[in-house]
Amino acid sequence: QQKVQQSPESLIVPEGGMASLNCTSSDRNVDYFWWYRQHSGKSPKMLMSIFSNGEKEEGRFTVHLNKASLHTSLHIRDSQPSDSALYLCAATNYNQGKLIFGQGTKLSIKP
Amino acid sequence: NSKVIQTPRYLVKGQGQKAKMRCIPEKGHPVVFWYQQNKNNEFKFLINFQNQEVLQQIDMTEKRFSAECPSNSPCSLEIQSSEAGDSALYLCASSLWSSQNTLYFGAGTRLSVL
Repeated sequence: QQKVQQSPESLIVPEGGMASLNCTSSDRNVDYFWWYRQHSGKSPKMLMSIFSNGEKEEGRFTVHLNKASLHTSLHIRDSQPSDSALYLCAATNYNQGKLIFGQGTKLSIKP
Repeated sequence: NSKVIQTPRYLVKGQGQKAKMRCIPEKGHPVVFWYQQNKNNEFKFLINFQNQEVLQQIDMTEKRFSAECPSNSPCSLEIQSSEAGDSALYLCASSLWSSQNTLYFGAGTRLSVL
């Protein structure tokens, strides 16, 4: 069964610090990776997507992808209390269509 | 604010009862997904549609759930006979088409089966 594994399960980072989240797919047919953020009591919202090897930066957020190892990581610099949320990694392949989500990393930013 | 509208926000049912929830996808989005998020935040894909046609669904959905996305009406997901293990947040999402496009989620329907 297609699986997306995220680590760590939970993470506490001081305000202003760097948060690093990891995600790996066990399905070699995966093409696309997404990172969604879900604040408590809210619905998930897409944060960043990455389809090619390398790095993509948007403001304080940077995502890396290594397609050979099917590993992606999300890095948040200068973390803010508003970044406290559940971060969900999701993956799919062109033929599948459906997004398979990981179990999430619960990020808490301590003021 | 999400343009995917889900109703009701909360649903309380007894075991064995039917539980029906609805979703209006974002305008112009032909693909609709239903996911179940349990209390451990685990997401389970249930079913997806392109326009009115089912694209994929899991075994559980095929057997105990009925879902449809009729033309010009809200999509719906109905559990035929609710079980305690069905208590979860049911999230509907829509997109332009599958694979490469972002999913936009509704606020969800929280189902409690007593």
